[in-house]
Amino acid sequence: QLQLQESGPGLVKPSETLSLTCTVSGGSISSSTYFWGWIRQPPGKGLEWIGSIYFSGTSYYNPSLKSRVGTSVDTSKNQFSLKLSSVTAADTAVYYCAPLIRVSKYFHQWGQGTLVTVSS
Amino acid sequence: QSALTQPPSASGSPGQSVTISCTGTSSDVGGYDFVSWYQQHPGKAPKLMIYEVNKRPSGVPDRFSGSKSGNTASLTVSGLQAEDEADYYCSSYAGSNNLVFGGGTKLTVL
Repeated sequence: QLQLQESGPGLVKPSETLSLTCTVSGGSISSSTYFWGWIRQPPGKGLEWIGSIYFSGTSYYNPSLKSRVGTSVDTSKNQFSLKLSSVTAADTAVYYCAPLIRVSKYFHQWGQGTLVTVSS
Repeated sequence: QSALTQPPSASGSPGQSVTISCTGTSSDVGGYDFVSWYQQHPGKAPKLMIYEVNKRPSGVPDRFSGSKSGNTASLTVSGLQAEDEADYYCSSYAGSNNLVFGGGTKLTVL
């Protein structure tokens, strides 16, 4: 049973870079079964897919965020990470990490989520 | 890519059935059988309820079912129970390894 845990600063200043890490336990991040995904949810609003990364490092991003998003994988630590640059208040959200079943395109488990607030 | 369209709210009495729609385009919902549905209770992470249009993960009651016709997918909850009250989100593959979510539907059990 996979378990995922997001970690990172809960407060980021406007124009700075948001950085989060997701630690995977109960399975290997190098599994060919999964992409590793990031999803966010602004307070009181809906879900937004941010992007997904394969253990090889191949990444796919939401076109609306593509210019500001970067992801990476650290197989030695069984972790993957998200960076979102030039943040504004609109990037305030709960950020979730989740494994995406590669062939069927669904998130079968989710981390508990972490709230990131963008404020000076 | 635009968000999939869901009704903001839906409701039903205990024991009744309710259907939530999720409308996209031929580039997402209509083009692939990769529609999934998630249930989210307040303050909690989403939970997978349906994948590949109509498949239920183990542990999800068979009161939950999914279907698709053209560019619209649907989630039906039969025999409504109080614990079904939650937000529901659809998601679809949109090609080129992109995904899109719906805006969410708040289901109220009257």
